[in-house]
Amino acid sequence: DVKVTQSSRYLVKRTGEKVFLECVQDMDHENMFWYRQDPGLGLRLIYFSYDVKMKEKGDIPEGYSVSREKKERFSLILESASTNQTSMYLCASRERVSYGYTFGSGTRLTVV
Amino acid sequence: AQSVTQLDSQVPVFEEAPVELRCNYSSSVSVYLFWYVQYPNQGLQLLLKYLSGSTLVESINGFEAEFNKSQTSFHLRKPSVHISDTAEYFCAVVDNAGNMLTFGGGTRLMVKP
Repeated sequence: DVKVTQSSRYLVKRTGEKVFLECVQDMDHENMFWYRQDPGLGLRLIYFSYDVKMKEKGDIPEGYSVSREKKERFSLILESASTNQTSMYLCASRERVSYGYTFGSGTRLTVV
Repeated sequence: AQSVTQLDSQVPVFEEAPVELRCNYSSSVSVYLFWYVQYPNQGLQLLLKYLSGSTLVESINGFEAEFNKSQTSFHLRKPSVHISDTAEYFCAVVDNAGNMLTFGGGTRLMVKP
């Protein structure tokens, strides 16, 4: 069974901390995505990557960066966490020539 | 660019009643359409999708959705809901280049006994 694994289910961090959210997929997918999910707003795309060391900004990249050093791993970085980044973060991956996205279970981040 | 509107943020319904969750989209290019479901404390799972062919698509658990190009809609329906259908449902579109999935705001389906 294909899998996207997010390392933490729940995280609590302090304002100003540097935060790393990790995502690993075992499907050899080229494309990986980071979304944040907020009530009433659905899922909004933060960043995506279509290959190792490649990244593209999504709709709401401000305050975030990403890293993709290996094909299976896509990290989301909050350089200096703020309370308005409290949210559910979802990672997804997709084959290059497919429209099927596989999502991880999400990381609920609280910034205090 | 495309956008997705889910008109109802919450839909309460009694068990065994029919339900319709509405989804409208706008796009300047051809799109493919999806419904995802998120059960409490879980990630998103694909419920059904329209890529081409028959405009009526079905899922294995009794949901169906119909692509209506003229009305730019992809409403989700089920003739008789169960308690276990309680979840949040997201409509999503991707352009025919397949680059980015755009989601609606979600509809929380609450099935009551």
